[in-house]
Amino acid sequence: AQSVSQHNHHVILSEAASLELGCNYSYGGTVNLFWYVQYPGQHLQLLLKYFSGDPLVKGIKGFEAEFIKSKFSFNLRKPSVQWSDTAEYFCAVNTPKGSARQLTFGSGTQLTVLP
Amino acid sequence: DAGVIQSPRHEVTEMGQEVTLRCKPISGHDYLFWYRQTMMRGLELLIYFNNNVPIDDSGMPEDRFSAKMPNASFSTLKIQPSEPRDSAVYFCASSLRGTTDTQYFGPGTRLTVL
Repeated sequence: AQSVSQHNHHVILSEAASLELGCNYSYGGTVNLFWYVQYPGQHLQLLLKYFSGDPLVKGIKGFEAEFIKSKFSFNLRKPSVQWSDTAEYFCAVNTPKGSARQLTFGSGTQLTVLP
Repeated sequence: DAGVIQSPRHEVTEMGQEVTLRCKPISGHDYLFWYRQTMMRGLELLIYFNNNVPIDDSGMPEDRFSAKMPNASFSTLKIQPSEPRDSAVYFCASSLRGTTDTQYFGPGTRLTVL
């Protein structure tokens, strides 16, 4: 089975610090990659996605992610975090399952930004 | 558009009772997904539908779980009988073009089985 690894379970930063959350996946073929965010008490929202083209993807709220195929990685970055970025972040990878594809989520990284 | 709508938002029930969770996808979306989120297992896909037809139910944990989509604007996930280990947040999501497309999630139903 395909797997998605988010090694950082909980990250604590001060405002204005830079952020990088790791995401690695195990499938060697063509993938679609997503980062979702879940703010406290809210539903998952799409931050950004990569399907093809430029491996550096820009999303909402100043987030970006870089797809590095050779490293099977899709790390999420933000140069300067804000208190309002406190949330749980999920990496997801769309990989084949039978004749279709399935979205597999990582275990999530809880980000706490201190004011 | 109002987004994906789920009800109820919270459900507390006793072991052995039947639980029905409801979902209304975004209008025009042909795909509907049911996920379960727990601390231990994270987000897991339970089942998904295309044009009201169940396509992949391999994630449904056992026969106590069933899902239906009687029309394009409504789906239910039923647990009968419920058990304490079913306690989780259940999310519904929909997408326009399928499993390769962005999925839009509902607010979830937090289920507690006592």
